[in-house]
Amino acid sequence: AQTVTQSQPEMSVQEAETVTLSCTYDTSESDYYLFWYKQPPSRQMILVIRQEAYKQQNATENRFSVNFQKAAKSFSLKISDSQLGDAAMYFCAYRTSDSGYALNFGKGTSLLVTP
Amino acid sequence: GAVVSQHPSWVICKSGTSVKIECRSLDFQATTMFWYRQFPKQSLMLMATSNEGSKATYEQGVEKDKFLINHASLTLSTLTVTSAHPEDSSFYICSARVGGKNTEAFFGQGTRLTVV
Repeated sequence: AQTVTQSQPEMSVQEAETVTLSCTYDTSESDYYLFWYKQPPSRQMILVIRQEAYKQQNATENRFSVNFQKAAKSFSLKISDSQLGDAAMYFCAYRTSDSGYALNFGKGTSLLVTP
Repeated sequence: GAVVSQHPSWVICKSGTSVKIECRSLDFQATTMFWYRQFPKQSLMLMATSNEGSKATYEQGVEKDKFLINHASLTLSTLTVTSAHPEDSSFYICSARVGGKNTEAFFGQGTRLTVV
């Protein structure tokens, strides 16, 4: 079975500080994509960052970056200079062609940002 | 990014009735649409994948006679919950993508269904 594991149900970070959310996955596919999605209280899913498995370079989007360790099947998200608006549920996900390109989500990490 | 509109945002229906949820891609043609279900404080679980003009592919454990999915055009997919019961109350989210392995899927706003 293909799975995504987020071991941190909740995380807390102080404003302006850095926080890392962990994610591990398990797939037998060699060609896949990894994602982090943010779901604020509105419940709209927002793409934060994506990583193609064939790329060795870690993806970066402004304050968001990933640490992609392919051999370890690890895909953590680092949020730098945290802002109050970063408070949300964060879901790690991957997709493969084998899954029809549907996303397979982890259980999520609830991020609290304190002033 | 592209826009996916889901309607209604919330609906309350009586037990035993059916309710239809629409998912529209507003500015692109979606060859594939996905329907997810999310229980409170839980993850998104894939219910089915629909390709335009084809029958939907349902995930194991999802009753296809209860959750009818139609993807009749490249911009519209519908999910009909038939003979709804309180246990069907949930948050339903659609996403849509254009074909090709490197393309993104865009999410609708979701529909909160409450069956009373």
